[in-house]
Amino acid sequence: GESVGLHLPTLSVQEGDNSIINCAYSNSASDYFIWYKQESGKGPQFIIDIRSNMDKRQGQRVTVLLNKTVKHLSLQIAATQPGDSAVYFCAENTVNQFYFGTGTSLTVIP
Amino acid sequence: SQTIHQWPATLVQPVGSPLSLECTVEGTSNPNLYWYRQAAGRGLQLLFYSVGIGQISSEVPQNLSASRPQDRQFILSSKKLLLSDSGFYLCAWSRAGIGSPLHFGNGTRLTVT
Repeated sequence: GESVGLHLPTLSVQEGDNSIINCAYSNSASDYFIWYKQESGKGPQFIIDIRSNMDKRQGQRVTVLLNKTVKHLSLQIAATQPGDSAVYFCAENTVNQFYFGTGTSLTVIP
Repeated sequence: SQTIHQWPATLVQPVGSPLSLECTVEGTSNPNLYWYRQAAGRGLQLLFYSVGIGQISSEVPQNLSASRPQDRQFILSSKKLLLSDSGFYLCAWSRAGIGSPLHFGNGTRLTVT
């Protein structure tokens, strides 16, 4: 299957700082990308998505950037809060299938 | 609104025993349905997906099987559990086609002893 890899397995940031989580994907034909947040013992929650015809999309405190040239996806979290501590996954969607990376564990230091 | 129900939340089973995990979706019709497994500290491994009743695609060879007896019901089964089957099992649904996110259930923590 396709692989979706993350550059950093762990990330620690100070409360109030901005966080950037990176992701590399392998299938240049992927049309749709999603970021998920997973808290301990729970299922992943949808954060934000982006289609391949866009390079940036903003939500509430989150921004996703897509660079198709280098097959790179990033999630930016503004003014990181303790409640943002979780594991973050990127996923790529190709014809009924979703492939996830290993995840990045974000720890927010108060 | 759409909801997904997955049960049980936790399960402890002896090696060699059977398994049945159930997942149902409400508020949508003809969803794509998925079973993922997540080992501790790891990513999500796609096990099975289904685009319709009775249609099951398997991603990895294993002693697990899946069935979709109804449009919004997805079942994960095993005849004989192995220790290596322990993990966090997640059911998810999406609308058909590309461009619709996966929506996950709360997962089942399976421990095989």
